[in-house]
Amino acid sequence: DTAVSQTPKYLVTQMGNDKSIKCEQNLGHDTMYWYKQDSKKFLKIMFSYNNKELIINETVPNRFSPKSPDKAHLNLHINSLELGDSAVYFCASSHLGNSLGANVLTFGAGSRLTVL
Amino acid sequence: LAKTTQPISMDSYEGQEVNITCSHNNIATNDYITWYQQFPSQGPRFIIQGYKTKVTNEVASLFIPADRKSSTLSLPRVSLSDTAVYYCLVGDSAGGFKTIFGAGTRLFVKA
Repeated sequence: DTAVSQTPKYLVTQMGNDKSIKCEQNLGHDTMYWYKQDSKKFLKIMFSYNNKELIINETVPNRFSPKSPDKAHLNLHINSLELGDSAVYFCASSHLGNSLGANVLTFGAGSRLTVL
Repeated sequence: LAKTTQPISMDSYEGQEVNITCSHNNIATNDYITWYQQFPSQGPRFIIQGYKTKVTNEVASLFIPADRKSSTLSLPRVSLSDTAVYYCLVGDSAGGFKTIFGAGTRLFVKA
């Protein structure tokens, strides 16, 4: 039973198209994230949502629009795809609450987007 | 957010103990140290977290000196399947909305 699941796992598309990646978590977490990992393998945070509300938008272009219909889902829609959008996109979730310690994220397996 | 510095890469052989050190000179009082492991074509996976002294679980040990300006992840008797990128992160729950990953250490285990 996958904790954080993303679909699709692979996505190949042409420049200018619009595509979506879906993410669902069954851990009961209150916070969800999107990260982008480029060809140089750097993991960069894009967005974080807490209880369906946008908390962090890390200077991501407007072409990227996350949507969180409920606490268990955070989808990523990308308009007018560009070559530079090619990367692996990871969804993650965590429970912040009032817990001691630092935030521990559970990641999905990733969605590899290739823009031609 | 405290910045971390780790070696870019390390090589080891099967059966050896591997120690990966992370520097975090600006660690704050409320910060914890967290390590993640990322295999090729997978998302990062939490390994261990600690605040001070030593923490051990079934996967690894984490050693943190008294000044907390560095930490060492210790992997006992590595196998080929431990080849991965290991990330050291420093932060507290308040900064959790913006959990930032550095470049990590690429560990390559050879037969």
